[in-house]
Order: sequence, then structure tokens, then C-alpha cells
Amino acid sequence: QQPVQSPQAVILREGEDAVINCSSSKALYSVHWYRQKHGEAPVFLMILLKGGEQKGHEKISASFNEKKQQSSLYLTASQLSYSGTYFCGTEIAGNQFYFGTGTSLTVIP
Amino acid sequence: DAGVIQSPRHEVTEMGQEVTLRCKPISGHNSLFWYRQTMMRGLELLIYFNNNVPIDDSGMPEDRFSAKMPNASFSTLKIQPSEPRDSAVYFCASSEARQVAEAFFGQGTRLTVV
Repeated sequence: QQPVQSPQAVILREGEDAVINCSSSKALYSVHWYRQKHGEAPVFLMILLKGGEQKGHEKISASFNEKKQQSSLYLTASQLSYSGTYFCGTEIAGNQFYFGTGTSLTVIP
Repeated sequence: DAGVIQSPRHEVTEMGQEVTLRCKPISGHNSLFWYRQTMMRGLELLIYFNNNVPIDDSGMPEDRFSAKMPNASFSTLKIQPSEPRDSAVYFCASSEARQVAEAFFGQGTRLTVV
């Protein structure tokens, strides 16, 4: 039930772009994205609902492909503050919700 | 609002003891979630409440775990008896609705069972 994220870890230089993928074996009703910094609580980034919409703010955006049961998070022109672990959360039938395996992102100067 | 408030922030207890974790959700939020986070298993949803009623507790590991929400402003997660494998960070989160709203997390309780 737990969605799989890829890559597991990525290291970027400031200004570089990254894509984090979230893949589920179940049909998805919605996808949530969170970022967690070390020793802190997860912080909400965005929700994507059924309909294939794409959301985003500033330099972080995401897409939701219902047919492929996948979502991708796009980080452009990364900043040092983007470092952390990114989790997708997927809502499937029966109001069940599962967080993904996590992707550790490190941005270096 | 001060956000989701959890207590204690840290708890160290001996195996076999009872542990109670507390959570105060954001006022006006009608959904409350308890999560457990470990290196091995990541973030796991333990239970969630909607309007103070437990909706899904399928993530609760075993009978040693129980959760209550006596009113809209307070919830507890109890482990009795505690075991070393229960050591983890336990997060409480609240949201306005189950599906379409963002969840706000508390700062978590780091539990160590020795």
C-alpha cells in the first residue's frame, strides 16, 4: 500500500533542478506532498486531486497522473532552504492514506 | 493559533511501563491523526478521528496501543505496556477535513523505551 518514491536521495548544487516521483500500486484519489527538515515535523507543500491537475507555487510544482497512479514534484532553481526529506502521501479507496518512502534532498552551495 | 500542541516533547520510560502522549489540535479542525515515524518504517498512520470519532484504526500496531478523543480539543495515545520496539517519534496532526485540506503537524513526541 505504501507508495514508492524515487530517487531515495539526491544531492544538488544551488540553482539546479530536481524531480521527485511517487508511484502507487493503487488507484489514487489525491496526492499530498510534505517536506520534513531534520528534527522537525513534516510541513505541507500541496495537494493534488483527481483530474490530472498541476499545482505549484514559486519554484515548486507538482503533477498528478491518475492513469499511471503517479505524481511528480518539480523543484526548479533549488535553494539551500529546499534541503530536507520529501514525502508524498496518497489517498486510496476506503479513505486510506499512506505516506511514501521519502526522498532525501540535499542542496549544497 | 499556536498550532498543534503535543506533550511531552521527549519521554524516556522503562519497558513495561504505561506511556500516554497528548495532543491539542488546532481549534476548528475536525480531523485528527496520530502518526509514528521510525527509520525502518518511515511515517505510519496509526489512527484518525473525524469529529472526535475514530474512523480508521487499522494502523494501530496491536492491543497495547489505544487512542481516545474525549472532545474536540484533546486526544491521547496510550501504550501499555510499552516495549523497546515502540521507540519512535509520534506525531499528531489536524486538518479541517479528511481529504482535501492540508494537515498541520505538531512537533512530535520522541519516545524512548529502555
